[in-house]
Amino acid sequence: GQQVMQIPQYQHVQEGEDFTTYCNSSTTLSNIQWYKQRPGGHPVFLIQLVKSGEVKKQKRLTFQFGEAKKNSSLHITATQTTDVGTYFCAGEGRYGGSQGNLIFGKGTKLSVKP
Amino acid sequence: EPEVTQTPSHQVTQMGQEVILRCVPISNHLYFYWYRQILGQKVEFLVSFYNNEISEKSEIFDDQFSVERPDGSNFTLKIRSTKLEDSAMYFCATTKWTASDTQYFGPGTRLTVL
Repeated sequence: GQQVMQIPQYQHVQEGEDFTTYCNSSTTLSNIQWYKQRPGGHPVFLIQLVKSGEVKKQKRLTFQFGEAKKNSSLHITATQTTDVGTYFCAGEGRYGGSQGNLIFGKGTKLSVKP
Repeated sequence: EPEVTQTPSHQVTQMGQEVILRCVPISNHLYFYWYRQILGQKVEFLVSFYNNEISEKSEIFDDQFSVERPDGSNFTLKIRSTKLEDSAMYFCATTKWTASDTQYFGPGTRLTVL
């Protein structure tokens, strides 16, 4: 079935260092979404990418969608302790019907050492 | 900002018992979802619901699971006979139109099956 793979599973950085997580889908995606989940919290929507090759920025976060719409990345510049959490990518899945639903990657757990 | 709410925050039950998890979607949203997250693992899609019927369901959503919107506001997930492996966080999410929209997640219900 459709899979969304994400690497790395864990990333430990020193505060101020950069961080990148990568997401790959087994199928072409209509769009990809990124979520952040703080420890003990629920997924919170960060952004959605729709167009091939799209790049979006949110302050220190840069999101990219691959040309083939099968991969994506999230890059954080100069990490801060507030960036701690698990970052999930999610692509729209299909279970045979017309309504898509999110297929989540396993997430990248980011820890930031002050 | 409108929020998805879920009750209870934590449910402890004995194996074989029935549980009902409740969600109050954002009022003008049309699509509702249930996801689960086993501790330390990725978020997994269970079921989507639109216009008072199931739109999509995953292989996890077997005959032990059911959903309904009994009173036009609450959206419930029922597990008929819980198993140990049903222990997880269960998140309700809603979107205004489709899965391509932003999915707003509730805070989750932690289900512990003993």
